[in-house]
Amino acid sequence: KAGVTQTPRYLIKTRGQQVTLSCSPISGHRSVSWYQQTPGQGLQFLFEYFSETQRNKGNFPGRFSGRQFSNSRSEMNVSTLELGDSALYLCASSLGGQGVIGYTFGSGTRLTVV
Amino acid sequence: AQKVTQAQTEISVVEKEDVTLDCVYETRDTTYYLFWYKQPPSGELVFLIRRNSFDEQNEISGRYSWNFQKSTSSFNFTITASQVVDSAVYFCALSETGGSTLGRLYFGRGTQLTVWP
Repeated sequence: KAGVTQTPRYLIKTRGQQVTLSCSPISGHRSVSWYQQTPGQGLQFLFEYFSETQRNKGNFPGRFSGRQFSNSRSEMNVSTLELGDSALYLCASSLGGQGVIGYTFGSGTRLTVV
Repeated sequence: AQKVTQAQTEISVVEKEDVTLDCVYETRDTTYYLFWYKQPPSGELVFLIRRNSFDEQNEISGRYSWNFQKSTSSFNFTITASQVVDSAVYFCALSETGGSTLGRLYFGRGTQLTVWP
């Protein structure tokens, strides 16, 4: 059974640009959630999608957005990049978005904004 | 308010020592789930254990064991006979089942464990 796939693994972008990250969940999982990890703030929840609907959103500015497709793959987009957006972005795949089964994480995308 | 607190920022032990990682959580939900994840330098969060709020039975799985106590809102994790490969950052996490928090994990700040040979 394939795990959670995040692409790309590494990204270097310039301040002001935009970026799109992709996450393919485990087959059959309908929930995808995204987290930002930085040394200063730790792991912070961005948003969660279930069956193409955003169910929950963390405390991030509107520059951070996401979507989920009918095949459960999810993308997150960050517009007008700032230096502070440099982080490891992790996505988690879950059957229903609850802790009953648990959450499986991808390897992450490491974004560097210069 | 912090929902998950890991008071230990860093722990260093020598190989074969036992080590316990502490976790204290806060929630008003009666049904919730607690997790421990391991993050090696590669970055991926590796699932270790899960416990639901109705099951306080403590278990041992190989070198891992955990102590879940609802009375003190603690969910501690122990590695016995530690090995160098156990060196990583360990995260405790909470999943609530209330509608407004559905689909999200609350993480502690993590404990960096270093096991010296």
